[in-house]
Amino acid sequence: GEEVAQTPKHLVRGEGQKAKLYCAPIKGHSYVFWYQQVLKNEFKFLISFQNENVFDETGMPKERFSAKCLPNSPCSLEIQATKLEDSAVYFCASSPPGGWRNEQFFGPGTRLTVL
Amino acid sequence: SQQGEEDPQALSIQEGENATMNCSYKTSINNLQWYRQNSGRGLVHLILIRSNEREKHSGRLRVTLDTSKKSSSLLITASRAADTASYFCATVWDSSYKLIFGSGTRLLVRP
Repeated sequence: GEEVAQTPKHLVRGEGQKAKLYCAPIKGHSYVFWYQQVLKNEFKFLISFQNENVFDETGMPKERFSAKCLPNSPCSLEIQATKLEDSAVYFCASSPPGGWRNEQFFGPGTRLTVL
Repeated sequence: SQQGEEDPQALSIQEGENATMNCSYKTSINNLQWYRQNSGRGLVHLILIRSNEREKHSGRLRVTLDTSKKSSSLLITASRAADTASYFCATVWDSSYKLIFGSGTRLLVRP
């Protein structure tokens, strides 16, 4: 597709429950990034992929967060045993081959509310 | 934290006026990008300036980059009510290509 698609738009989970978010990058893009936005301003990088390979996972809280980008499937970000502090908007972005030379195209985000 | 700083945090201007936002960052960079976020929406890419460039224009947007001061500015000329949004600068500084965002400027353009 021509836009990054993210599902669902909203997700509500009780503390301790699992949450799974999906992202379909733009066709032909090699890189996928996940960011977390808390309180409408601060963006935090979580993880990136180059095709189906993890490219940089330095931002991931590894105990509870995991992510995959498998061929012919949407990418996913999964949070096991959600905590209140995981409440945020999660954005996925994709970028064409070329790495740092390119802009990133963002999806509309998934708003996760943990109660 | 690698986050950059933006100022002002909030800016309110009249339609037709110019808006200037500033961004400072902490490390050497490959490029600096500006994004707009309308309330509750995703980020829209506005402009990218490479580390070897000093100024770039796109329509009503003008971006400058001063790598010696580790700072950038975004100028929106002849603002419109539709420009009301939050504006974020973001830098790419290492081989991972991830964006390091500034804290954002909330712009309100009054009709």
